[in-house]
Amino acid sequence: HLVESGGGLVRPGGSLRLSCAASGFTFNTYTMNWVRQAPGKGLEWVASLSSSSTYINYADSVKGRFTISRDNAKNSLFLQMNSLRAEDTAVYYCTRENYDSSGEYNWFDPWGQGTQVTVSS
Amino acid sequence: DIQMTQSPSSLSASVGDRLNITCRASQSIGIYLNWYQRKPGKAPKLLIYAASSLQSGVPSRFSGSGSGTDFTLTISSLQPEDFATFYCQQSYSARTFGPGTKVEIK
Repeated sequence: HLVESGGGLVRPGGSLRLSCAASGFTFNTYTMNWVRQAPGKGLEWVASLSSSSTYINYADSVKGRFTISRDNAKNSLFLQMNSLRAEDTAVYYCTRENYDSSGEYNWFDPWGQGTQVTVSS
Repeated sequence: DIQMTQSPSSLSASVGDRLNITCRASQSIGIYLNWYQRKPGKAPKLLIYAASSLQSGVPSRFSGSGSGTDFTLTISSLQPEDFATFYCQQSYSARTFGPGTKVEIK
């Protein structure tokens, strides 16, 4: 179970910190991701963070502005968003990576319900 | 980043139709390719992983094929509950989604 929070209305250039509270699974053993969907657009992967925070990846569109982090003691995932732009307006989803039995192929499941971020003056 | 494209972007179809949706990667991704179905207000649902492996519980009318840069999602006989938007997603390097294919009722 994943529950996002922290969304809201922010002016261009502003900052916002999203949180995702995880429950029902061993959080500290899973890679976690943020995915967003802008109005009328498709799904866009934003960032990925491995279980021990060793491996981090960002989409080019957010690199240098967004920071993904986690607190395994509190079963929580975060997304610090700085220098926000109008094009960052979207519903942001927290999602877990699952692997098949071989441990090689992975996919996103489950997903949270999303939190709305609106960047507007 | 690896870029993903899908075609068509939308289509109209009838119940019982056979559908093919294609996905192309900007570079070879082996079989690191997933397919999801998304209905309004719902979380994306995994249909196919590793290009052709059917996720548990997904009807056998869904199938996937391809490797390298070109992939196909096939629905052998479209059912009323299948009308949705379908996304491909690569997991070879970082992660990227395709732009989606919206399947509407004709």
